[in-house]
Amino acid sequence: SQQGEEDPQALSIQEGENATMNCSYKTSINNLQWYRQNSGRGLVHLILIRSNEREKHSGRLRVTLDTSKKSSSLLITASRAADTASYFCSGGSNYKLTFGKGTLLTVNP
Amino acid sequence: NAGVMQNPRHLVRRRGQEARLRCSPMKGHSHVYWYRQLPEEGLKFMVYLQKENIIDESGMPKERFSAEFPKEGPSILRIQQVVRGDSAAYFCASSPREGGDQPQHFGDGTRLSIL
Repeated sequence: SQQGEEDPQALSIQEGENATMNCSYKTSINNLQWYRQNSGRGLVHLILIRSNEREKHSGRLRVTLDTSKKSSSLLITASRAADTASYFCSGGSNYKLTFGKGTLLTVNP
Repeated sequence: NAGVMQNPRHLVRRRGQEARLRCSPMKGHSHVYWYRQLPEEGLKFMVYLQKENIIDESGMPKERFSAEFPKEGPSILRIQQVVRGDSAAYFCASSPREGGDQPQHFGDGTRLSIL
């Protein structure tokens, strides 16, 4: 199954700043996914990084994976007010996504 | 191309009633997953279905809960004799193929409130 615990629980920054959130997991994984959830909406897939990859980029997103530390980080550069949302990670090898409580990111205009 | 459609968006039931939640996957997706999100918690896996088959129901409570994905029509999550603890947001997701490397596409959920 999948697993993921996000940290910090909440993060508040100003528009234009970078936001970094972290994810830890306990057992070995084949890949790790990051999702975003806007208030009252469903989750939106952001990016998937495989266990043999160390870093991956998608637009303003940068994800790193350190399998030796069983951790991942998501960096959002040049943040915008529209990035305000909860962010979740899930690492594993099959279809069962499992998330922690997420990181609530607030980007202030 | 429409995304995953869930209805109703909000559902209010009294204790002891039945709740039926519907999910239409994205066009071309034959794999459906149901998740439950309790207040201030992350999503928890409940059940994985393909057309006419339940593949994995390991996350679903043994009693009162059932799910189906018929050959025609939406997937249904059914909760019988609802209790206050069933109050939560229920999300459906779909994917075109099975696999841990397949991003799942989520609907906006059904928020179930039990009076």
